Formats: sequence, C-alpha cells, structure tokens
Amino acid sequence: DAMVIQNPRYQVTQFGKPVTLSCSQTLNHNVMYWYQQKSSQAPKLLFHYYDKDFNNEADTPDNFQSRRPNTSFCFLDIRSPGLGDAAMYLCATSRDEWSRRVEQFFGPGTRLTVL
Amino acid sequence: KQEVTQIPAALSVPEGENLVLNCSFTDSAIYNLQWFRQDPGKGLTSLLLIQSSQREQTSGRLNASLDKSSGRSTLYIAASQPGDSATYLCAATNFGNEKLTFGTGTRLTIIP
Repeated sequence: DAMVIQNPRYQVTQFGKPVTLSCSQTLNHNVMYWYQQKSSQAPKLLFHYYDKDFNNEADTPDNFQSRRPNTSFCFLDIRSPGLGDAAMYLCATSRDEWSRRVEQFFGPGTRLTVL
Repeated sequence: KQEVTQIPAALSVPEGENLVLNCSFTDSAIYNLQWFRQDPGKGLTSLLLIQSSQREQTSGRLNASLDKSSGRSTLYIAASQPGDSATYLCAATNFGNEKLTFGTGTRLTIIP
C-alpha cells in the first residue's frame, strides 16, 4: 500500500507557466519535506513543514512555494518554471519524536520537464 | 556543516559476490544515518536506519554499520543479485537538525 503518494508522476510544463505538484500521505506524519533532485546529484531540501510551521531553506529560490492545507496533503508550487527547474521532485514525511528514531519515507517522485 | 561522501561513484560486481558500499561523514554528532536505494527515474526506498547509539542494523541480505569515531558507515550486501542494481545513497541527520544530508550515491551494477 502506497504511504507517500505523488501526483502526477510526470509533468511537462512550458517555460514560465505555473505548475503545482501534489503529495499526500497515509502515515499521519507531522513533518513533510520537498526535495529537488537533478540528474546524478543528491536530493536537495527545498523546504519542510513541521505541522503547520513552514521552514524554508536559505538557498531555495522565491520561485518555489509550498502549501500544506492539512496533515495529509502538501503542494509544491513553481510560479515561473525555468529550464533549470527541470528535475525530479521528491516528497518525504517523518514523525518527529525525539525519543524515537526519525526515519524519512519518500514518495515515488514527480519528474518535471520544462519546455 | 555536515558533508557526506560516497566513494566510489560507481561499482560493478559479478552476481553472487558479497560487497560493501562506503559512506563517510565529517560531523560525528549525528542523530542517525539512513541508507536508501534509488532505481533509475524513481523515488527513494529506505533500506536501513541506524541510530547514533547503535553499531549496526540488519535486514535480510543487508547489513549497515556505523562508526561515529571514524565518521564512517558501510552497507554490506550479501550474495548479490541482478535485482540489487540501483543507486545507493546514505544520508545523515544531525542533532538539533531534522534535515537529511545526502551523499551523491554509489551506482551499483550486478553483472549476471
């Protein structure tokens, strides 16, 4: 059973045309993350939500925004995609409990192509 | 700032052999270390997680070890199979910081 679901799996957009990627989870985890992974590179954290608290990485471009309307869903909005934004976008979740191990669970990713 | 390194970037091994993948980290104040598998064009699958208080974790043919003093973790795969071919990434989480710091991965090819 899928625990972290990402839609769509493949997204094609045009240069400058806004796009939204979706992530949902059935794990009831309180932390959700968005990563960007370019070819042959390590995943790069863009931002994460700790419950409703949004935490942006210092080097994440303003072009990237996120929304988390409830525990289960999180969205990545790219306001004006450029060619350099073509990448795999990975969503992950974890349950933050300092007394227990904190393991991140990843979705299958959305591959974004920008034409 | 934590830095995670995985060498070599690529490794080819004949089927049936045992193998070890390496992961090095610069900051030993880690909370845990996680090993992932990534198939081409796919997301990450968590394989093993080792807490800072542990020395190793095992799951089936996989065994991960952690040596904080030397800043190293290894992933041992026994009796390799063609289905083990994938990129393997390690990632560290440091105390006071929930973020994963990833290595760039080792691309493993098992030769039938």
